[in-house]
Amino acid sequence: EVQLVQSGAEVKKPGESLRISCKGSEYGFTNYWISWVRQMPGKGLEWMGRIDPSDSYTNYSPSFQGHVTISADKSISTAYLQWSSLKASDTAMYYCARLLFGYSSNWFDPWGQGTLVTVSS
Amino acid sequence: QSALTQPASVSGSPGQSITISCTGTSSDVGGYNYVSWYQQHPGKAPKLIIYDVTKRPSGVSNRFSGSKSGNTASLTISGLQAEDEAGYYCSSYTSSTTWVFGGGTKLTVL
Repeated sequence: EVQLVQSGAEVKKPGESLRISCKGSEYGFTNYWISWVRQMPGKGLEWMGRIDPSDSYTNYSPSFQGHVTISADKSISTAYLQWSSLKASDTAMYYCARLLFGYSSNWFDPWGQGTLVTVSS
Repeated sequence: QSALTQPASVSGSPGQSITISCTGTSSDVGGYNYVSWYQQHPGKAPKLIIYDVTKRPSGVSNRFSGSKSGNTASLTISGLQAEDEAGYYCSSYTSSTTWVFGGGTKLTVL
């Protein structure tokens, strides 16, 4: 079964750094992109950006460019989302999702289980 | 990039059909056949239910169907069941080589 398994919940203070992970299994990790999606408490989904694990090319939503960094280590089939200085407004659930774009098709599937990030002093 | 526009809520009785709209622009929904829909139950991760406007992944009920006209895409759920009560989100590729989601629609099965 194709799966994305994310790292566990995090509680951090403002100004701290953080990296969360998303490990793919049962598929060719470099054959698909990985996207990150934010869901703030009680709110909708927001596309943050994506990475091509085969060459680590990334592109970001303008809303998140410069605020987060997406990376990947294809040797261990894992993608990452990181912050250098967290803010309280970063408190949210973060999902990774496998992204297909090409061959005249586009979808996000499957999704990881989500990582809850809480930033509070 | 503004979120695609969806109604905040819709409701229907068991057995009825409902339609959720998703309105964008010619730079996203209207410009590409890359609209997908996701179902999210409370406390769960989203699940793909429609992709490429009209296609259904294996294992998704044929009660779910998608369509598009101009800058508006639609998700129709026929034969409503209690288990359909959830949040629904549309998504589209955009001309900025990014993706955008709709604001989400809460479906209540009466």
